Amino acid sequence: GAGVSQSPSNKVTEKGKDVELRCDPISGHTALYWYRQSLGQGLEFLIYFQGNSAPDKSGLPSDRFSAERTGGSVSTLTIQRTQQEDSAVYLCASSLGPTSGIGGEQFFGPGTRLTVL
Amino acid sequence: GNSVTQMEGPVTLSEEAFLTINCTYTATGYPSLFWYVQYPGEGLQLLLKATKADDKGSNKGFEATYRKETTSFHLEKGSVQVSDSAVYFCALSSGGGADGLTFGKGTHLIIQP
Repeated sequence: GAGVSQSPSNKVTEKGKDVELRCDPISGHTALYWYRQSLGQGLEFLIYFQGNSAPDKSGLPSDRFSAERTGGSVSTLTIQRTQQEDSAVYLCASSLGPTSGIGGEQFFGPGTRLTVL
Repeated sequence: GNSVTQMEGPVTLSEEAFLTINCTYTATGYPSLFWYVQYPGEGLQLLLKATKADDKGSNKGFEATYRKETTSFHLEKGSVQVSDSAVYFCALSSGGGADGLTFGKGTHLIIQP
């Protein structure tokens, strides 16, 4: 399995509950990205990690959203006190290095479909 | 801020027709430009890219040329096939630290036999 993997593939939760979404990037990729895909907003960039560090968290939609990356590998996106407007597909991508620096490709995972009831 | 505008469709064509999907962008500096494709039931995958002005990206018969003077990156294919039916996303990256991709809304392409 050489690609980006995400778990769970589907998550249904009740409003107000916390959820954790996981991303396993391609081995050796130092850059990791989270995006959200929804009908109303299209594809939105949320946050970027270079190694374990996220230089800019301003893309996160609210302070209920947080993300971390440990060991330069796995990343988790946590949404606290979920709301119905959080329902979307959450995509993770990884790349060898900064996309614009080397024109590098971002490889996307299959996504986690989150439904908040 | 950065933005990408593309025709949303759906765009419906007959097999072997010529395809153009328009994409224009607004960005600071000199962005890299991309077309991603999402086939039914599959994840996003890179179709082609261009990293500087006048570069032409090409793959699977698709082409797009980075036009700085018109801030455009239109996707073209001379003869489409049913298997090209998918959603196509134009995107840019301008770096500067955040380095995420800014996507257009996506164009749903339907090719009829």
